[in-house]
Amino acid sequence: NAGVTQTPKFRVLKTGQSMTLLCAQDMNHEYMYWYRQDPGMGLRLIHYSVGEGTTAKGEVPDGYNVSRLKKQNFLLGLESAAPSQTSVYFCASRVTGYQETQYFGPGTRLLVL
Amino acid sequence: GENVEQHPSTLSVQEGDSAVIKCTYSDSASNYFPWYKQELGKGPQLIIDIRSNVGEKKDQRIAVTLNKTAKHFSLHITETQPEDSAVYFCAASGGGTSYGKLTFGQGTILTVHP
Repeated sequence: NAGVTQTPKFRVLKTGQSMTLLCAQDMNHEYMYWYRQDPGMGLRLIHYSVGEGTTAKGEVPDGYNVSRLKKQNFLLGLESAAPSQTSVYFCASRVTGYQETQYFGPGTRLLVL
Repeated sequence: GENVEQHPSTLSVQEGDSAVIKCTYSDSASNYFPWYKQELGKGPQLIIDIRSNVGEKKDQRIAVTLNKTAKHFSLHITETQPEDSAVYFCAASGGGTSYGKLTFGQGTILTVHP
């Protein structure tokens, strides 16, 4: 049971390039989330999904798109990367229900030049 | 939306001392309050959580208290050890259609000196 995994671990992009971050979970969780972490700002929710085929916007969705074609995978896309998207990205998942724990992946560090 | 404030931003203690981190939240509908520990280069890991129908919860050296009236909650670590050094985050989540979305505080860097 690997829990939540993220690919890649680290990536450098040039402004305007695109990329996709992959999150995978093997816990059969319905809910999945993408956060970004910036110094002094905690973690902020980008997008989330409450089940296969569903997505919704979080607190800071601009410049990102997501897809949840399979229950175990949640993809975060950057169509045209900007330096302001330099951050550490974390994926999390949890079961449905009341007041349940979110489990986080190890993170993807992204540098946009 | 929900807003969570966390203090202090940095905390330095001697091994064996206690450490206290405090958070306030704005949305009275929030009902779930987890605390996460993040070590360097890793993802956040849940260390303890508290639900709105409970005022206090303890797990070995870690305890969390919740004051719903004042809308604040605190993390208490007793007998600190060097391996407690990390960044700690509080968070809050509401019920209903919140779908478990968490709003995080800004984080506290805890350093425990041997």
